[in-house]
Amino acid sequence: NAGVTQTPKFQVLKTGQSMTLQCAQDMNHEYMSWYRQDPGMGLRLIHYSVGAGITDQGEVPNGYNVSRSTTEDFPLRLLSAAPSQTSVYFCASRRGGSNYGYTFGSGTRLTVV
Amino acid sequence: KNEVEQSPQNLTAQEGEFITINCSYSVGISALHWLQQHPGGGIVSLFMLSSGKKKHGRLIATINIQEKHSSLHITASHPRDSAVYICALQRGGADGLTFGKGTHLIIQP
Repeated sequence: NAGVTQTPKFQVLKTGQSMTLQCAQDMNHEYMSWYRQDPGMGLRLIHYSVGAGITDQGEVPNGYNVSRSTTEDFPLRLLSAAPSQTSVYFCASRRGGSNYGYTFGSGTRLTVV
Repeated sequence: KNEVEQSPQNLTAQEGEFITINCSYSVGISALHWLQQHPGGGIVSLFMLSSGKKKHGRLIATINIQEKHSSLHITASHPRDSAVYICALQRGGADGLTFGKGTHLIIQP
């Protein structure tokens, strides 16, 4: 049981470069979400999806795009990386309905120079 | 004003002590989550609460919906309990969590 898999674990980007953070889950969970974690700010919601083809913005969506073409995958795209996007990114998933907790990936540490 | 406040921010205790971490919130929720994060590590879900009390091993979590308050208790604390404990709110009608800033717990042997 792989759970939620995030790749890569570490990444260094130059300002203006683009990249995609991958998130995949093998639990057939409907709901998936992306968070960033910054010192002093805690964890904040970037985007979320309640099913394939459905996405919505969270608290800090600017500079990030998402899509959900399959139940399993929820990639996060940075179109033009900025130093302010240096952070640790976590993906999470859960079953639909109100009685299920979240499973988190192990995180991607991104540095933008 | 933050929608979710945790206290204390930092807590150092001796092995064996009874630990309490508090979480107060100001918005309507469908559930409240307690999460654990070890230094440099991933995030593990400990409890999801919508009412009452849950127990898992030495961990106990309670919630009072009317008071908008939850507590996480650790009995017979151990150095391996040293971690950041995070309270997070789940709203109805949308997904994703709203997080507290976390409580950094250190248990000294």
